[in-house]
Amino acid sequence: DSGVTQTPKHLITATGQRVTLRCSPRSGDLSVYWYQQSLDQGLQFLIQYYNGEERAKGNILERFSAQQFPDLHSELNLSSLELGDSALYFCASGGPSPLHFGNGTRLTVT
Amino acid sequence: DQQVKQNSPSLSVQEGRISILNCDYTNSMFDYFLWYKKYPAEGPTFLISISSIKDKNEDGRFTVFLNKSAKHLSLHIVPSQPGDSAVYFCAARASYNTDKLIFGTGTRLQVFP
Repeated sequence: DSGVTQTPKHLITATGQRVTLRCSPRSGDLSVYWYQQSLDQGLQFLIQYYNGEERAKGNILERFSAQQFPDLHSELNLSSLELGDSALYFCASGGPSPLHFGNGTRLTVT
Repeated sequence: DQQVKQNSPSLSVQEGRISILNCDYTNSMFDYFLWYKKYPAEGPTFLISISSIKDKNEDGRFTVFLNKSAKHLSLHIVPSQPGDSAVYFCAARASYNTDKLIFGTGTRLQVFP
């Protein structure tokens, strides 16, 4: 158990919809990272927050946004969903290295 | 632009033999490398790492080798066990951007009896 909690585990939604993925970091970790893993792809870095502030940005689409709240949990918001957004979304905390990952949220867009 | 490449999508090894997983990178600024293991329905878990000041790091059955001139690293598992069957990701980061880990696409290792 990494100590990083992600909810929900699975999410099925239709194109055009909006969803919110939630992450609670390990106790004491101030950083939260979001990664996307599409089919046959590695983990693509999306965005990092540190103590409530955006710290680094990767290949995150404009339709996606994230935030970190005062209690350090983070939410990843995905809007105007497309079929290609179907993927595993992982949250990680700790860092800079190694990162500790949650078990992910599997998003299926139909 | 795939800066970290794992060119073998899968590898099958007999129990007790050596497993060698390979990883290549293109960014010469990478100076810290990690291997993660991932089981189905779980997140990646950290396995072993190596700094660019070393060419080898060992932890039990796992050894990582780094060849900076070739921009290549490998993970050796000796002896391989069925419980090692998982997807292995190579990752790298640069000292100027320590918050960003770049991952490869993974190699699925299957260890059979």
